[in-house]
Amino acid sequence: KAGVTQTPRYLIKTRGQQVTLSCSPISGHRSVSWYQQTPGQGLQFLFEYFSETQRNKGNFPGRFSGRQFSNSRSEMNVSTLELGDSALYLCASSLDPNGGQETQYFGPGTRLLVL
Amino acid sequence: SQQGEEDPQALSIQEGENATMNCSYKTSINNLQWYRQNSGRGLVHLILIRSNEREKHSGRLRVTLDTSKKSSSLLITASRAADTASYFCATGQTGANNLFFGTGTRLTVIP
Repeated sequence: KAGVTQTPRYLIKTRGQQVTLSCSPISGHRSVSWYQQTPGQGLQFLFEYFSETQRNKGNFPGRFSGRQFSNSRSEMNVSTLELGDSALYLCASSLDPNGGQETQYFGPGTRLLVL
Repeated sequence: SQQGEEDPQALSIQEGENATMNCSYKTSINNLQWYRQNSGRGLVHLILIRSNEREKHSGRLRVTLDTSKKSSSLLITASRAADTASYFCATGQTGANNLFFGTGTRLTVIP
């Protein structure tokens, strides 16, 4: 099976712009979670989608949003970019329908640089 | 914050030696997972241990879990230069696929 894929791999934006990142989960996985990794804050959970519904949300401002499509692919959007949004954005997929039971498999990440 | 702590923050050993990393967490958990990350790339899953398990092995990896102390350890035996990476523990809770990650241990294996 193909692993989790994320596009694009690298992105450079300027402050105030918006950005959309994409994640394709492992075939058959319906749960997709997003994480932000920065040197200062480490790995932090953004949100999780399951069957096109946001099931959990981390402590991030409303500028961060996401959605999931019927084929389980997910996108996250960051509006009005700030310098502090520069980070590695990781998505993970899981087969787990109940949450918290099984392994999450991560994609290679999208590295976003905000200038 | 529910983020865990890992100890040590950095570890440097010679090839062939064993490496032990520790993880402490704050809340009740359903499972604990260990991941490896090479140079800011994606996370590679190593092992998952459930809250009712005390020890688990996978190849050269051995993980222990002590829920009474809210701690876990990862032992890598007979280390190789290719094991050089950052290692993270992450805790999961029932009903949610949101992992809480530790701060990570940077392991360097010197050939």
